[in-house]
Amino acid sequence: GESVGLHLPTLSVQEGDNSIINCAYSNSASDYFIWYKQESGKGPQFIIDIRSNMDKRQGQRVTVLLNKTVKHLSLQIAATQPGDSAVYFCAENKGGSYIPTFGRGTSLIVHP
Amino acid sequence: DTAVSQTPKYLVTQMGNDKSIKCEQNLGHDTMYWYKQDSKKFLKIMFSYNNKELIINETVPNRFSPKSPDKAHLNLHINSLELGDSAVYFCASSQGSWNQPQHFGDGTRLSIL
Repeated sequence: GESVGLHLPTLSVQEGDNSIINCAYSNSASDYFIWYKQESGKGPQFIIDIRSNMDKRQGQRVTVLLNKTVKHLSLQIAATQPGDSAVYFCAENKGGSYIPTFGRGTSLIVHP
Repeated sequence: DTAVSQTPKYLVTQMGNDKSIKCEQNLGHDTMYWYKQDSKKFLKIMFSYNNKELIINETVPNRFSPKSPDKAHLNLHINSLELGDSAVYFCASSQGSWNQPQHFGDGTRLSIL
């Protein structure tokens, strides 16, 4: 999972497994959260978002869980595929602010 | 169609030079951003700009300046380039408010010799 540190955390999984990427966010006043996927040589790409009035939101093969009590966000990817290999970022926004705060990122490696 | 495009993709230049990176978005968004990504993949916001206000990250040196000729463009000018400016710079845009995701360009890799 993700941590505040100098090295990019890495999660290695086998193709077909479920992946869980974790993020500890910093601001208890944040009320909008986003997950981005960044492939090599590309910019971050929006995956899924969630507002603070929700605990869970599902997309296609992805689910985001929000635990405001412990300021924790997770991204679950079902049936992980090699094409899911990328760096995943969580980001948080405080209401009224245009400036998101990005987490450190987690590198997901999917082995065929 | 490329939603957020930035040029050039690669920029190699010498210390002390002045350079610009261009960004255009065709999404009709009214807010644009510049980010710097270091070698450890950390994304740092530099500027946020819409037709109402420019928000500057106070840690960004004043050698960096955004210039927006119109709503669809936000260019980044950098004066007196330093070795520490080497990074990948991303442009992004979003529609207005705080609770909308950002759309990113594919980055400009700046290398200072």
